[in-house]
Amino acid sequence: NAGVTQTPKFQVLKTGQSMTLQCAQDMNHNSMYWYRQDPGMGLRLIYYSASEGTTDKGEVPNGYNVSRLNKREFSLRLESAAPSQTSVYFCASSRVGGNTGELFFGEGSRLTVL
Amino acid sequence: GEDVEQSLFLSVREGDSSVINCTYTDSSSTYLYWYKQEPGAGLQLLTYIFSNMDMKQDQRLTVLLNKKDKHLSLRIADTQTGDSAIYFCAESLSTGTASKLTFGTGTRLQVTL
Repeated sequence: NAGVTQTPKFQVLKTGQSMTLQCAQDMNHNSMYWYRQDPGMGLRLIYYSASEGTTDKGEVPNGYNVSRLNKREFSLRLESAAPSQTSVYFCASSRVGGNTGELFFGEGSRLTVL
Repeated sequence: GEDVEQSLFLSVREGDSSVINCTYTDSSSTYLYWYKQEPGAGLQLLTYIFSNMDMKQDQRLTVLLNKKDKHLSLRIADTQTGDSAIYFCAESLSTGTASKLTFGTGTRLQVTL
């Protein structure tokens, strides 16, 4: 059981380049999330998808777009990368209803924008 | 918006108890969580407490919740070197179908011999 899988694990971009972070979960979870982690700031929610076909902004959505491709996959796109987007990005998923709201995380994608 | 605060660093000796503290601001949080992040890895749920509870014990872990002061703590008894990690508290703002967790800044626990 792989859980939440993110690709790539590492990426270096130049300012202005675009890229897509991929995330897939095999736990049949309805909800998926993208967080970024920066030193001293904890994790901040970028976007989330409560269920297939829906996406919503989180705390820090500017500069990002997302696509909920199907129930398993939720991608995060940077259209024109900026140095401020240098961060570690985490994808997570959760079940719906009758549970503790626990999030299951991927191992993270470390992005550096030069 | 919501704000969850933690101290950034804690150092303890192996065998001692560790206490990691957290304050949160949203009194409507349903669940409060402690997650552990080991180097180079994602976050894993360590334990959680429902908002109508004061205390929860799980082996070496004790969670205390003071709703009046919006204060959450995690006590690790007999701390081991394998407990060295970053610990995040988080509060849950359920929107019905999604679990929008707000995380604290994380406390780096260093266990020394």
